[in-house]
Amino acid sequence: AQKVTQAQTEISVVEKEDVTLDCVYETRDTTYYLFWYKQPPSGELVFLIRRNSFDEQNEISGRYSWNFQKSTSSFNFTITASQVVDSAVYFCALDTGGFKTIFGAGTRLFVKA
Amino acid sequence: GAVVSQHPSRVICKSGTSVKIECRSLDFQATTMFWYRQFPKQSLMLMATSNEGSKATYEQGVEKDKFLINHASLTLSTLTVTSAHPEDSSFYICSARLRVDTQYFGPGTRLTVL
Repeated sequence: AQKVTQAQTEISVVEKEDVTLDCVYETRDTTYYLFWYKQPPSGELVFLIRRNSFDEQNEISGRYSWNFQKSTSSFNFTITASQVVDSAVYFCALDTGGFKTIFGAGTRLFVKA
Repeated sequence: GAVVSQHPSRVICKSGTSVKIECRSLDFQATTMFWYRQFPKQSLMLMATSNEGSKATYEQGVEKDKFLINHASLTLSTLTVTSAHPEDSSFYICSARLRVDTQYFGPGTRLTVL
């Protein structure tokens, strides 16, 4: 079975704090892709990152960074020095290639000024 | 990057009527498109996979006679909610797959059934 678990339903931080959003996945496939999307109040999904199962390198993009660890089946997302504009729902997703994309339940992030 | 559009962005209809939502891939051809439904404060749930030139594949629990999907061309898939009821009110999102590891999402259609 394929599953994505985002255990944190809501997180509230104060601006400039760092925050980590957790994502744990389950799959028996050896080839798969992991994603993070941001969904602001407008509803449109914003693509943040894609990682394939053979690339465990961590990635940093500005204030965003991702930690992919196959040993723990985790793909965590950290926002450094959070800003009010980061307030949104963040989804982690799993794709085993060409077929279904399984989304986690999402984590709602509130960043207070 | 590639763009997927949806039309309309919002629709309000009366109970019992049918509503058609269009999903277009604007700058690439997509043999496979997907339709998702998202209820308030919930995640995206896949409803069906739309394949160009063939019948759609529906997920378990999704009524194929109620949610009609047509993928008549490589750039257009339509979702028709037939005999809509208030419980069908939701945010409907389509996506188009460009490659095995890449899909692009439309901006979504918010359906309200009165």
